[in-house]
Amino acid sequence: KAGVTQTPRYLIKTRGQQVTLSCSPISGHRSVSWYQQTPGQGLQFLFEYFSETQRNKGNFPGRFSGRQFSNSRSEMNVSTLELGDSALYLCASATGGLSYEQYFGPGTRLTVT
Amino acid sequence: DQQVKQNSPSLSVQEGRISILNCDYTNSMFDYFLWYKKYPAEGPTFLISISSIKDKNEDGRFTVFLNKSAKHLSLHIVPSQPGDSAVYFCAAARDNYGQNFVFGPGTRLSVLP
Repeated sequence: KAGVTQTPRYLIKTRGQQVTLSCSPISGHRSVSWYQQTPGQGLQFLFEYFSETQRNKGNFPGRFSGRQFSNSRSEMNVSTLELGDSALYLCASATGGLSYEQYFGPGTRLTVT
Repeated sequence: DQQVKQNSPSLSVQEGRISILNCDYTNSMFDYFLWYKKYPAEGPTFLISISSIKDKNEDGRFTVFLNKSAKHLSLHIVPSQPGDSAVYFCAAARDNYGQNFVFGPGTRLSVLP
């Protein structure tokens, strides 16, 4: 069974631009969560999508948004990039049912200059 | 305010001995706990989970213990192997709140040959 894939793996953007990251979950998984990892703040929950609906949201500004498609693939968008948005963005896939076990992709390393 | 704490940033253990990684949480509403290990440049890998209705869960060399009254959990690795050298994160979530996990800052485990 293929794991969670994320594209692109690395990205360099300029302050003020916007960026879209993509995540394909494990086949059969309906839940996709997004996390931001930085050295100072650790792993922080952004939001979770389940069956194309946002089910949970963390404490991030509205510049961070996401969506999920009918095939469970998910995209995350960050608008008006700031230097502080430089981080590793991880997505995690889960069945979305009674099991809370989630499986992470390799992440997208975003650098904002 | 850190809801999930891992007070030891690093731990060194001799190969073959037991590794004990600790995690404390402050939110008594947390019902479900996960442990992950992370190698550099990879996403976290799910290791083992435990729900609040149990006090122990075992999977091969990995055992997680939960002490709800103390709001403390620990991960035991026996015997420790050099390949176990990684950063270990504990994560907690409230039941029925989907995949909104709060992660600890991690403990770097080094298993010495």
